[in-house]
Amino acid sequence: NAGVTQTPKFRILKIGQSMTLQCAQDMNHNYMYWYRQDPGMGLKLIYYSVGAGITDKGEVPNGYNVSRSTTEDFPLRLELAAPSQTSVYFCASSYPAGVTGAPGELFFGEGSRLTVL
Amino acid sequence: AQSVSQHNHHVILSEAASLELGCNYSYGGTVNLFWYVQYPGQHLQLLLKYFSGDPLVKGIKGFEAEFIKSKFSFNLRKPSVQWSDTAEYFCAVGGATNKLIFGTGTLLAVQP
Repeated sequence: NAGVTQTPKFRILKIGQSMTLQCAQDMNHNYMYWYRQDPGMGLKLIYYSVGAGITDKGEVPNGYNVSRSTTEDFPLRLELAAPSQTSVYFCASSYPAGVTGAPGELFFGEGSRLTVL
Repeated sequence: AQSVSQHNHHVILSEAASLELGCNYSYGGTVNLFWYVQYPGQHLQLLLKYFSGDPLVKGIKGFEAEFIKSKFSFNLRKPSVQWSDTAEYFCAVGGATNKLIFGTGTLLAVQP
C-alpha cells in the first residue's frame, strides 16, 4: 500500500554540491512527474515521463536532470546546487484518462524539502 | 503553450458565505481538469476532476466546479464555507501533451 515514495524528506546542500531525489511508485502508472513548490508560485513542472525510457522537459527544467529506466523509478538529479533550488519537491504519478489519454489525477509523494546554503 | 490562470490570489470570507474561485486555462485541445486543496503542512489532495460528460462536477466536502468550454474556465464553488475550508486551492489542467500544469493557487481564509 506504499503508493509514491520519495526520499529523502529533508536535505541541506552546500552551493555546488549535487544530489539525487529518489521517487518510486508501485501502482504501475505510466506517467510520472517532478514538481517544485515555492510560496505564492504554485507547483511548477520540472520534468515528466510517459513511460520507461521517455522523459521530457516541463516549465522549469534548468539545473535538473531525470532518467526513467524502469516504470517504477523516476529520480531527479540536481547538479551544482544553487540557492534558487531551495524548495519543496514533489514527485507524482498518474495514468492515462479521458478521451485523449491525458493524465488523470496525480498521486503524490510526501515531498522533499531541500535547502541550498 | 499550456497554461493556467487563477486570478484570485487571496480570498477572505466569513463562515457560511458562498465561494467561487476562478480558473482559466489556455490549451487548444481536449483537456482533463482538476481542483486540488492543500491544508497547512500537508501535500495536495484531490477535490474533484473532470474528464468528459456533465460539465458540472461534484467533489468532496461539498465542492463543485463547472466546465465552460467556450470560456476555457473551470471555476470552483461551494455554497457555504466553513472555517475548516481554510487552505490553498489549486486548479490544474492536463492535455494531450501529457503535461499537467498547475495554477499559482488561491489562499482562502475563512473567518469564524
